[in-house]
Amino acid sequence: KQEVTQIPAALSVPEGENLVLNCSFTDSAIYNLQWFRQDPGKGLTSLLLIQSSQREQTSGRLNASLDKSSGRSTLYIAASQPGDSATYLCAALNTGNQFYFGTGTSLTVIP
Amino acid sequence: DTAVSQTPKYLVTQMGNDKSIKCEQNLGHDTMYWYKQDSKKFLKIMFSYNNKELIINETVPNRFSPKSPDKAHLNLHINSLELGDSAVYFCASSQWSLNTEAFFGQGTRLTVV
Repeated sequence: KQEVTQIPAALSVPEGENLVLNCSFTDSAIYNLQWFRQDPGKGLTSLLLIQSSQREQTSGRLNASLDKSSGRSTLYIAASQPGDSATYLCAALNTGNQFYFGTGTSLTVIP
Repeated sequence: DTAVSQTPKYLVTQMGNDKSIKCEQNLGHDTMYWYKQDSKKFLKIMFSYNNKELIINETVPNRFSPKSPDKAHLNLHINSLELGDSAVYFCASSQWSLNTEAFFGQGTRLTVV
């Protein structure tokens, strides 16, 4: 059964820093991997989707990479802003038609 | 227009009651899901429907019964509510056949008192 882990669990950085969030998964037979953002008391907002055949995806200041063989994905946030403060979740789509979620990284960007 | 909408957003009810949460998606997706987010913020799959057919039924008490009248709707009915059912329930949809991204509703915060 797929297990998804995210490190670190919490991260606090000053505004303007570049940062990396890590996601690891145990079963490399994924169809895709998706990064989400969740604000307190809110739903999940999709940030980036990486298909299993892709290595990375970019959207604005966000860049997500995928290394299936090592079971890892990273989310790179450039020039962080206070508005980036949220919980970031990764989810792997496996056979069986379900997304397995990681434990999340709570990010705080300090002005 | 909201892509995946859930109602109600908040639900407070007493133990033993029966309640329903509704979910609708206007994305034309073929797969819908219910996830439960516990107090530690971990999201766990409960059910998955593909073209109105139940695909996934994780270890969920049979007090929880999903119903999909059509591809655009997946409702969740809960009987005999217990304190431990308190959580945030998220509905989601995706086009599984194309491995596209999943879209989530805003969640329903259920509090059982």
